[in-house]
Amino acid sequence: LAKTTQPISMDSYEGQEVNITCSHNNIATNDYITWYQQFPSQGPRFIIQGYKTKVTNEVASLFIPADRKSSTLSLPRVSLSDTAVYYCLVGDNRNTPLVFGKGTRLSVIA
Amino acid sequence: GAVVSQHPSRVICKSGTSVKIECRSLDFQATTMFWYRQFPKQSLMLMATSNEGSKATYEQGVEKDKFLINHASLTLSTLTVTSAHPEDSSFYICSASGRANTEAFFGQGTRLTVV
Repeated sequence: LAKTTQPISMDSYEGQEVNITCSHNNIATNDYITWYQQFPSQGPRFIIQGYKTKVTNEVASLFIPADRKSSTLSLPRVSLSDTAVYYCLVGDNRNTPLVFGKGTRLSVIA
Repeated sequence: GAVVSQHPSRVICKSGTSVKIECRSLDFQATTMFWYRQFPKQSLMLMATSNEGSKATYEQGVEKDKFLINHASLTLSTLTVTSAHPEDSSFYICSASGRANTEAFFGQGTRLTVV
């Protein structure tokens, strides 16, 4: 059973900021929050990972509130090539497998 | 980030034959590897977890005699689909993590078509 809940789909225009929120009410103390991006017929690609507060890298930001029961992936100024499925996962990523939910299908429109 | 290579990227085989898919961690030692299957428009479904040097742990509903997993070294795991049937046609993806990693890295996937 997936441990996360995300919106099934989102639409955005090019150049806009996109925020995708994920709920993980039963996150464990040792769990990290990791977001992946998947294009059709490709394996998931790591975007960003965090444990608490805010994390930023060259492609995205991840906001995690103090209770860690949710997280928000922020994609600044999306382009058409950001059209993909985005998965939010929680886990310690070592011996415990990542359980994928349905993900969020982001469609970027020109 | 670390690189996980999967081979082949696509394969077509006849019903009744067996197909082997390789998953290699190229620049780190993968103590644990996971195998997933993904049908069109659906999410990834975990099939099994394999730890180097031990037997794989299969998810409920996944036949261990049909999907043979070998993880004989810290850089290689293989999935063999035995006596493949058209319903086994799917996208198979491996992922790997090592002792020093907090994130899992995924292969590019293998598109299996059984005709």
